[in-house]
Amino acid sequence: GQQVMQIPQYQHVQEGEDFTTYCNSSTTLSNIQWYKQRPGGHPVFLIQLVKSGEVKKQKRLTFQFGEAKKNSSLHITATQTTDVGTYFCAGSRSNAGGTSYGKLTFGQGTILTVHP
Amino acid sequence: SAVISQKPSRDICQRGTSLTIQCQVDSQVTMMFWYRQQPGQSLTLIATANQGSEATYESGFVIDKFPISRPNLTFSTLTVSNMSPEDSSIYLCSVAGTSGRGSYNEQFFGPGTRLTVL
Repeated sequence: GQQVMQIPQYQHVQEGEDFTTYCNSSTTLSNIQWYKQRPGGHPVFLIQLVKSGEVKKQKRLTFQFGEAKKNSSLHITATQTTDVGTYFCAGSRSNAGGTSYGKLTFGQGTILTVHP
Repeated sequence: SAVISQKPSRDICQRGTSLTIQCQVDSQVTMMFWYRQQPGQSLTLIATANQGSEATYESGFVIDKFPISRPNLTFSTLTVSNMSPEDSSIYLCSVAGTSGRGSYNEQFFGPGTRLTVL
């Protein structure tokens, strides 16, 4: 079955340092999504990437989707204490009918801690 | 975005008993899913709840252990049957395909139900 690998598992940074998490799928994806889960909270949708080579930015966050649509990355510039949490990538494949209601396969997540 | 509530928020149960978790959405949604998440771990999809028909289960999950109902487009239940301590986990429902959005892929998660089985 489809597997989504995510590294690193943990990342500890000083406030102001950059942070990157990487996601790799065993199969080609129709889209990839990123979620953030604060400690004690539930996953919250951040963004979806659909096109090969797509790059999207949200303030200090930059998301990339690989040309082969099998890998992705999330980069945070100048981390802040509010960035603390677990970041998950989640891959989706279109179903046979080609509709976009694909189920998600989540990566293992990267737990980010930021030291002030 | 959809507002999702789950009941109960947490429970402590004895082994051998069953617990039914409810998921209520404030608007009609196309897809509803049930996940399990061990503390500090990733999310594992249990099943897709289908309105008016049997749920679609992922490998390793069976209907006898996790019966699911979805009587309409805003409500679903997950039952954890004949519980054992290994069932202790956080159970989350999520929805996708909410009305009024350009993209129908992103999932919105409920707050979760923290289950402890003694």
